[in-house]
This record gives sequence, C-alpha cells and structure tokens, in this order.
Amino acid sequence: SAVISQKPSRDICQRGTSLTIQCQVDSQVTMMFWYRQQPGQSLTLIATANQGSEATYESGFVIDKFPISRPNLTFSTLTVSNMSPEDSSIYLCSVAIASSYNEQFFGPGTRLTVL
Amino acid sequence: DAKTTQPPSMDCAEGRAANLPCNHSTISGNEYVYWYRQIHSQGPQYIIHGLKNNETNEMASLIITEDRKSSTLILPHATLRDTAVYYCIVRVAGTASKLTFGTGTRLQVTL
Repeated sequence: SAVISQKPSRDICQRGTSLTIQCQVDSQVTMMFWYRQQPGQSLTLIATANQGSEATYESGFVIDKFPISRPNLTFSTLTVSNMSPEDSSIYLCSVAIASSYNEQFFGPGTRLTVL
Repeated sequence: DAKTTQPPSMDCAEGRAANLPCNHSTISGNEYVYWYRQIHSQGPQYIIHGLKNNETNEMASLIITEDRKSSTLILPHATLRDTAVYYCIVRVAGTASKLTFGTGTRLQVTL
C-alpha cells in the first residue's frame, strides 16, 4: 500500500494569486496523478505527473494554468495559477505502485476556496 | 475506458445488504470492473475488482453478469460507516492507467 499526505489540507486564496499543493508518498511509486473535484461533482483527472519529464495533461487542462513538477519518485506538486472562483475545488493526488496496479491510492485532498 | 451508468442515490437500512448496480454495456474483453468509494471529505478508496467471475473480499462481493454488461456490488451487512459515494469504473487491469470516474451512487445507510 501507499500512504499519501497533501499540504495544505485547505486554503482560502484571493483571485489572481497562485497556490502550490504538495503531495508526498511514503514509498517510491510508479505513477502519480492529480485530480480535481468541483463542489458536488465527481473526480476529473487533470494530469499524470511523470518523473523527470513534463506532465501529461487531459483535455481541457493546460500547463500554464496547472504546472506540475515531479522531481523524484515520492513527491509531486501541482500549482493552480492565476486563480478565479471557478478554481474552488478539492484537489487530490493519487498514486499507482508497481506491485498493485489494480489499486490506486488517494491522498486526503486539498480543499481550495478562491474569493 | 468504457462508460458506466449508476443510479444517483440509494438508501439502505443498517444491518441489511446493500446492492449497488452498474451498467457497462460497452465494456471490452480486456476491461475489468472496479469499484471505489468516497466517504465524505476523504479521497476515494478501492473496494474490489473483477473480470467475469464473482469476487469477494473482506469489504464486499462483486457479481458480474455472464454477458459482462452489468454488475452489482454487494455490501452484505451495511453500517452507518458505509455511507458514501460508490463509483463503478471499467479499465484494463494490471496497468497504471488513469481512472475515469462517473457520477457514482450516493448510498445512505440509515438506522
């Protein structure tokens, strides 16, 4: 299994600013993913964070708005840039490990409110 | 990934079996059925997965029809702690591919 922590757990930000969310895993993992969950909605994949290379973004998400870093096999960051109230969501980090690709593990999420 | 259809909500009395249906009529031969749940204010949690045979683990049972076009997740003795949104997802097993979440079923377990 994998234990995932995210920082911050929640934040309230002003529009036009940026927030960087950290995801730390207690073991080396193969794949890391970032999801967004808008209020009352299901989860939507933002991107796959690739170690040592640029992230792979899903349709509707761009690097300028959601830059992602993954400097090693246990850590990743997601930045929400130039925020607007529409970015108010829960952002979740997820990982897949080679010994258990059938089960993805999720972090507790970061609850972001943009005023 | 194939699309799934689930009822938006269900109720279940505590101690009774909760049967959550899922339709996946366009599932491919190499795709498995996965179930996750999301308890309020937490990240999703894996429950179970299967290809065509019925599966059981400590959390639940998964019944997949012979034509694989639908399945049912069974929580044999639901408790209040099982109140959550349950997601049925189809994907190729054994790969680190992404999960595509549908709208899920909100299960409310009551006294």
